[in-house]
Amino acid sequence: DAKTTQPNSMESNEEEPVHLPCNHSTISGTDYIHWYRQLPSQGPEYVIHGLTSNVNNRMASLAIAEDRKSSTLILHRATLRDAAVYYCILKETSGSRLTFGEGTQLTVNP
Amino acid sequence: DAGVTQSPTHLIKTRGQQVTLRCSPKSGHDTVSWYQQALGQGPQFIFQYYEEEERQRGNFPDRFSGHQFPNYSSELNVNALLLGDSALYLCASTEQGRANYGYTFGSGTRLTVV
Repeated sequence: DAKTTQPNSMESNEEEPVHLPCNHSTISGTDYIHWYRQLPSQGPEYVIHGLTSNVNNRMASLAIAEDRKSSTLILHRATLRDAAVYYCILKETSGSRLTFGEGTQLTVNP
Repeated sequence: DAGVTQSPTHLIKTRGQQVTLRCSPKSGHDTVSWYQQALGQGPQFIFQYYEEEERQRGNFPDRFSGHQFPNYSSELNVNALLLGDSALYLCASTEQGRANYGYTFGSGTRLTVV
């Protein structure tokens, strides 16, 4: 499975934008880029996914580099409820599994 | 609309015992995956079930087995429990053919082996 690299931790202030980076230099042409987050004592929650183009949904935006070797999850206005571990995952088009790494622990300061 | 439901939420077992964990997928989903999450680590894929068959398996021993029922619900069985099996067990569901668009996870079963 292709691997991703994320910072172990990041901090943000409430109501400010947050940019969570992810490097995936070994991505293949058919891998989807998925982001999940996990709040304390809960299962992972789907945030967003993309293949080649930037994506927006009600939770976040996903910016994908032109060469697809990196991506950035953007939370436009962080809230205290956004404090979680964020996982960047490459999912093979034909595969079943999600391969989780260590993720980024996001702390949001009031 | 109920999401993924897992039971029980917490469980304590003794080494050598057997355990069964249960999962009901989100309405409309027919594919169920199981993950093991040790403390402080990301979830690790155990296996996936679709059409009542195991479709893909992660790097877990045969002590870990599963089943899917005609109503798409699933069970995870672990035999001969070891202390190292203590973890959060997560169930995730999706609709076959739409897995590339995301999975819905349950809140998990916390298993403690003593």
